[in-house]
Amino acid sequence: GEDVEQSLFLSVREGDSSVINCTYTDSSSTYLYWYKQEPGAGLQLLTYIFSNMDMKQDQRLTVLLNKKDKHLSLRIADTQTGDSAIYFCAESTTSGTYKYIFGTGTRLKVLA
Amino acid sequence: DAGITQSPRYKITETGRQVTLMCHQTWSHSYMFWYRQDLGHGLRLIYYSAAADITDKGEVPDGYVVSRSKTENFPLTLESATRSQTSVYFCASSERGVGKLFFGSGTQLSVL
Repeated sequence: GEDVEQSLFLSVREGDSSVINCTYTDSSSTYLYWYKQEPGAGLQLLTYIFSNMDMKQDQRLTVLLNKKDKHLSLRIADTQTGDSAIYFCAESTTSGTYKYIFGTGTRLKVLA
Repeated sequence: DAGITQSPRYKITETGRQVTLMCHQTWSHSYMFWYRQDLGHGLRLIYYSAAADITDKGEVPDGYVVSRSKTENFPLTLESATRSQTSVYFCASSERGVGKLFFGSGTQLSVL
């Protein structure tokens, strides 16, 4: 079956850059997403990228997509303590069987 | 207030009991979803609905029942709760089924 995999934990120092990685298996994925979950809350969309794009930048966030390797990454520049949260990678497609699948989530801890 | 709301926020029940988790959205989004969140598994799709009276199974549907008689409501019923169904349940909605999902705040369910 299709899988979206992420490493479970990442720890960085405040002011450094964070890079969260994700691999997926379904080459038919149309959209790839990054969501953020703060404690006790639901997920909120941070950014997304179409599968025909290589990169997308949005303020401190940079998304890189390597479609050949099925690898997605989220870079957060100048990481702040408020960025501490769980980050989920997700993929969706409407071609063939519909799906919207999330990864296991990466817990980012920012050290002051 | 506009948005997506889940109730109850917390629920404790016993094995074998029937439990219904409620989800209501005010945007008239076509798509609605139920996910469960467990450590090490991320979010897993239980059921989704593309429109009123149209529902389909996700990754982990066993033991759950859904209905969607009205566009704005998408209740999730555990017919006979088991301890393995202890989890945090999230409802989400989307206008088109791809793109941004809007999440509720979640229901934390404990089955004793």
